[in-house]
Amino acid sequence: GNSVTQMEGPVTLSEEAFLTINCTYTATGYPSLFWYVQYPGEGLQLLLKATKADDKGSNKGFEATYRKETTSFHLEKGSVQVSDSAVYFCALNDSGSRLTFGEGTQLTVNP
Amino acid sequence: ETGVTQTPRHLVMGMTNKKSLKCEQHLGHNAMYWYKQSAKKPLELMFVYSLEERVENNSVPSRFSPECPNSSHLFLHLHTLQPEDSALYLCASSQASRDRHSPLHFGNGTRLTVT
Repeated sequence: GNSVTQMEGPVTLSEEAFLTINCTYTATGYPSLFWYVQYPGEGLQLLLKATKADDKGSNKGFEATYRKETTSFHLEKGSVQVSDSAVYFCALNDSGSRLTFGEGTQLTVNP
Repeated sequence: ETGVTQTPRHLVMGMTNKKSLKCEQHLGHNAMYWYKQSAKKPLELMFVYSLEERVENNSVPSRFSPECPNSSHLFLHLHTLQPEDSALYLCASSQASRDRHSPLHFGNGTRLTVT
């Protein structure tokens, strides 16, 4: 079956630090890959996505590249802000209506 | 209003109560979902409705009963819950198809506490 494995948190960084949150996946087909973000007290929001190998998704300074050879979709940001503090979820979809989520990584950015 | 709206935001209920969670989407989507989010556990998909028909039910106890009267509205009826059912219940919608690119759009959830 499908699965998503994320870097364990929590991750604590200082403002303007470089961020990487690792995500690897197992899928039987050719999935689309997503990163979602959940701010405190809110639901999940789509942050970025990539639909085929070597695609790069980007949004709000975050980037992730779909690497088929390493089955990875690591999330990166060059300079984090306090407002980026949230829980980040990696997810995949290879069958239409069902997303498989990772367990989430809590990020805290200190001023 | 836009997006996916869930009510109430917070709910406290006793184990013998009956209550309902409501979700409404204004995105023109044709699929809706209930997820359960518990502390220190992965997101759990509970139910999926596509074109108003339930297409997935992931071994959810019968004390949870979903209802989808139309493509814009989704309910989760609750009765005789247990304390371990306390969690954040998230509703989501998407444009269902064989297209695996369609992302989910989530509401802000209902924080349920069972006493």
